[in-house]
Amino acid sequence: GAGVSQSPSNKVTEKGKDVELRCDPISGHTALYWYRQSLGQGLEFLIYFQGNSAPDKSGLPSDRFSAERTGGSVSTLTIQRTQQEDSAVYLCASSHRGGYGYTFGSGTRLTVV
Amino acid sequence: DAKTTQPNSMESNEEEPVHLPCNHSTISGTDYIHWYRQLPSQGPEYVIHGLTSNVNNRMASLAIAEDRKSSTLILHRATLRDAAVYYCILHNAGGTSYGKLTFGQGTILTVHP
Repeated sequence: GAGVSQSPSNKVTEKGKDVELRCDPISGHTALYWYRQSLGQGLEFLIYFQGNSAPDKSGLPSDRFSAERTGGSVSTLTIQRTQQEDSAVYLCASSHRGGYGYTFGSGTRLTVV
Repeated sequence: DAKTTQPNSMESNEEEPVHLPCNHSTISGTDYIHWYRQLPSQGPEYVIHGLTSNVNNRMASLAIAEDRKSSTLILHRATLRDAAVYYCILHNAGGTSYGKLTFGQGTILTVHP
């Protein structure tokens, strides 16, 4: 597609439920990144994919968070047993060459109630 | 990645030039200087990047000090749509951080009509 697509755009979930967030990167972009942004805060790096592998998972805040990427394209970020502190905007970005001209999606706003 | 320092906020009037400063006194020889901006309720968007020489594109200009310890993003004629948070980021393309960009707090630019 023309840009990075994320779905859903908004998600409200109850504490303790699992959620899946989806990212469709720009076709042909081999690098994919997940960030999150809490209200009024800067962007916090979560995980980086090159193709289907994730050489850098250092930003995942706990083992409740996991992500996968299939076919070198779509990525899913899964949060298990959601907590209120997981509420944030989750942003996905893709890049043809890592670090040059990331294109971000509009994000998924997750609210845990 | 090396740290950058930006003012928390700046203000400008519409159709006037805006100079957004960034200090990066610990920059290394292989660090690129990237600028991204984030409009309200959107993901960040790439603005410009450079290494040593000044750079121009359709969005902005990047002026890099001779010692590379500081840089300035120049918006030649600010519009209301330029109101955003502007992030100055250093990225070492030759390092092990792959394409990961580390976002700071950025500068909140307010444009007055």
